[in-house]
Amino acid sequence: DGGITQSPKYLFRKEGQNVTLSCEQNLNHDAMYWYRQDPGQGLRLIYYSQIVNDFQKGDIAEGYSVSREKKESFPLTVTSAQKNPTAFYLCASRQKGWDTYEQYFGPGTRLTVT
Amino acid sequence: AQSVTQLGSHVSVSEGALVLLRCNYSSSVPPYLFWYVQYPNQGLQLLLKYTSAATLVKGINGFEAEFKKSETSFHLTKPSAHMSDAAEYFCAVHSSNTGKLIFGQGTTLQVKP
Repeated sequence: DGGITQSPKYLFRKEGQNVTLSCEQNLNHDAMYWYRQDPGQGLRLIYYSQIVNDFQKGDIAEGYSVSREKKESFPLTVTSAQKNPTAFYLCASRQKGWDTYEQYFGPGTRLTVT
Repeated sequence: AQSVTQLGSHVSVSEGALVLLRCNYSSSVPPYLFWYVQYPNQGLQLLLKYTSAATLVKGINGFEAEFKKSETSFHLTKPSAHMSDAAEYFCAVHSSNTGKLIFGQGTTLQVKP
């Protein structure tokens, strides 16, 4: 089955540690996205990538980093510089094309930093 | 710039009652609009999308939405609520300026037995 996988589902880290969240898709989609979700704040875009080896900052990129070395993979690193990293993180992808603007989401990773 | 506003952060209905979740958009160009559903601790699932074809769009799980340009609205409806419809619902618009999806703040639907 085609889809987006995120691992792990739950992640716990100590303050001051970097942590990398995995996102893999086998939909052959060109674009991939990372969102952060906090209660009552909807979805906020962290980073996105339209093509391999290229990515752009979203609305809240500070304290995060990404890479896009392969079409199917878009890992997100939450660095120790992120002030409040505890949140639900969602990865999404989209097939670029005429009239295809919908994004498809993975199951999410809940990160807790203490 | 495009934006969406969801009216009501919480909506409560009885099982079997009509579901109406409101979404208004702002756009200077013909918009591409979407409704997503999110169950607890899960990702978002696409319910339906409007891409300037028919104004009444049918989606999954018995939901539909009507695009009304005069009212700049794209409200989501379902004739009869089921307990399994309890979830959070997000309206989104594609931004032609940035290429991003702009999401509303979400509406939590509670279904009472």
